Amino acid sequence: QQQVKQSPQSLIVQKGGISIINCAYENTAFDYFPWYQQFPGKGPALLIAIRPDVSEKKEGRFTISFNKSAKQFSLHIMDSQPGDSATYFCAARAARGKLIFGQGTELSVKP
Amino acid sequence: GAVVSQHPSRVICKSGTSVKIECRSLDFQATTMFWYRQFPKQSLMLMATSNEGSKATYEQGVEKDKFLINHASLTLSTLTVTSAHPEDSSFYICSASGRAGYNEQFFGPGTRLTVL
Repeated sequence: QQQVKQSPQSLIVQKGGISIINCAYENTAFDYFPWYQQFPGKGPALLIAIRPDVSEKKEGRFTISFNKSAKQFSLHIMDSQPGDSATYFCAARAARGKLIFGQGTELSVKP
Repeated sequence: GAVVSQHPSRVICKSGTSVKIECRSLDFQATTMFWYRQFPKQSLMLMATSNEGSKATYEQGVEKDKFLINHASLTLSTLTVTSAHPEDSSFYICSASGRAGYNEQFFGPGTRLTVL
């Protein structure tokens, strides 16, 4: 119930391509769904976030698509760049502000 | 965005010693702070949640007598790993969340702990 399942575990994309990472959850009480980017040896940084009453949110090259009925959400990175190579985590917020993280996706963008 | 700092960024200690890690919110008041542990190539696992002036709430399986958390002010929380052992070696990350209406958790840069 408290899990967030993320896929794929790793992803290789050519420069200029679209990177797509998917997450699924079970708990309908989750009220906020952020995506974080983490570089090696650094803390995670908030990339973009969405609430369950919105189906899509776009910020620059990053878009979240949210399907409430399917309990799934995804991150799309358009025009992927080598500098986007990092580990990406989806998360869902539960009671008392607690974040449940997905397993992470290691993205590598090839020049 | 809000800034959260951690000190030290990395620490190496001998088995059996205690290590204190500080987490500070630099430009906002953090009513709630969270402590995570992250092993290599793995996700962040929440260890505990602390509210200013209250005892921390620990996640299942986290030993509260081993991982002492203090949140004495609205800008500072500390995590003390007591009697550290090699299996405690990990990347410890804190996050801070502000007052009502401030939904985001802002993460610190992390502290790499190595226990020899």
